[in-house]
Amino acid sequence: DVKVTQSSRYLVKRTGEKVFLECVQDMDHENMFWYRQDPGLGLRLIYFSYDVKMKEKGDIPEGYSVSREKKERFSLILESASTNQTSMYLCASSLPGGNTEAFFGQGTRLTVV
Amino acid sequence: DQQVKQNSPSLSVQEGRISILNCDYTNSMFDYFLWYKKYPAEGPTFLISISSIKDKNEDGRFTVFLNKSAKHLSLHIVPSQPGDSAVYFCAASARQGAQKLVFGQGTRLTINP
Repeated sequence: DVKVTQSSRYLVKRTGEKVFLECVQDMDHENMFWYRQDPGLGLRLIYFSYDVKMKEKGDIPEGYSVSREKKERFSLILESASTNQTSMYLCASSLPGGNTEAFFGQGTRLTVV
Repeated sequence: DQQVKQNSPSLSVQEGRISILNCDYTNSMFDYFLWYKKYPAEGPTFLISISSIKDKNEDGRFTVFLNKSAKHLSLHIVPSQPGDSAVYFCAASARQGAQKLVFGQGTRLTINP
């Protein structure tokens, strides 16, 4: 059974804190993604990675960075958390080559107070 | 610029009837389309997909139709069941480029007994 695991289901952080969201997949997928889901806006891509140490900005990268030191792990970093980063964060992975589905983790509900 | 649009935020259908969810896209480079289902506090799960070389794909109660000339796809669920109540996201990707999935805003489907 394929699995994408996010380290936390719920997280509460203070404004200005540095926040790390971790994601691990066990499917040996090359592609990994971070999305955020907000009501009425759907899923918006923050960053993605198509190989170890490779990263590309998505549609809303401001205020975020990522790290991919190992193939199975993709971390999202909020450099200085702000209240407008309160959201549901979703990690996903997929095989390369296109025409393939992405598998999602269970999500992390982050609240910044 | 919203490349994938789901114009109906919500849909209510009686149990046993057909549910039809709609999605429009603007990017003619998209060649693979997917539907995901999402329950609250969980990650999206893949439901069904269709390649641009086809106009219909069926899997049990779920059928996806693609009209390339209109840049429109739809998901039909028949018969609808209470467990189908969820948020449904349409997504699209292009083989050329980063193969990232671009999502619509989602449609909340409620199946009434």
